[in-house]
Amino acid sequence: EIVLTQSPDTLSLSPGERATLSCRASQSVSSYLAWYQQKPGQAPRLLIYDASNRATGIPARFSGSGSGTDFTLTISSLEPEDFAVYYCQQRSDWRTFGQGTKLELK
Amino acid sequence: EVHLVESGGGLVKPGGSLRLSCAASGFIFSSYNMNWVRQAPGKGLEWVSSISSSGSFIYYADSLKGRFTISRDNAKNSLYLQMNNLRAEDTALYYCATGHWGEDWGQGTLVTVSS
Repeated sequence: EIVLTQSPDTLSLSPGERATLSCRASQSVSSYLAWYQQKPGQAPRLLIYDASNRATGIPARFSGSGSGTDFTLTISSLEPEDFAVYYCQQRSDWRTFGQGTKLELK
Repeated sequence: EVHLVESGGGLVKPGGSLRLSCAASGFIFSSYNMNWVRQAPGKGLEWVSSISSSGSFIYYADSLKGRFTISRDNAKNSLYLQMNNLRAEDTALYYCATGHWGEDWGQGTLVTVSS
């Protein structure tokens, strides 16, 4: 099973700042990686798929990069609504999720 | 607009069974792979099962060990998950989601396994 490890577990930032979230795979997943956002009481929302493609309706401040084993989700300038939990997920070998990074208001 | 509504969750004793349903609308259901994903209370996400658009290809998480069965009825725009021999660790909110990546999600149905 491919294990995805996200870092940090918690990220404390303020609106307007840049957020950088990391996801490392235990073996190569090529570009078969996605990022989701989940707010309390809501279903996850797909942000990025195939490592760097924004899903429909996702603002341009969200971007993804990486391939192989190391991936990054960047939020260029945080909006108040961006504070949430973020998960990475691979579909190279079945599907597994990372443990999540909580992006909290500083 | 894509609309997914899960149902069938509830309280069940260990060893019991439940059948979850997901009613889909707003898209051509028969053209999309469909998935079940679960989230235990306060925990992360776990992909449970996937089924191809025609139903020909089916995949399950290894952890389920043959206890769950995914199916679909394209004529009824519906996805199902039959869950047998339920365990306490199956307690979770069960979501249905579309496509290879989970492009759209329902709001989930809660399954609680407890004596």
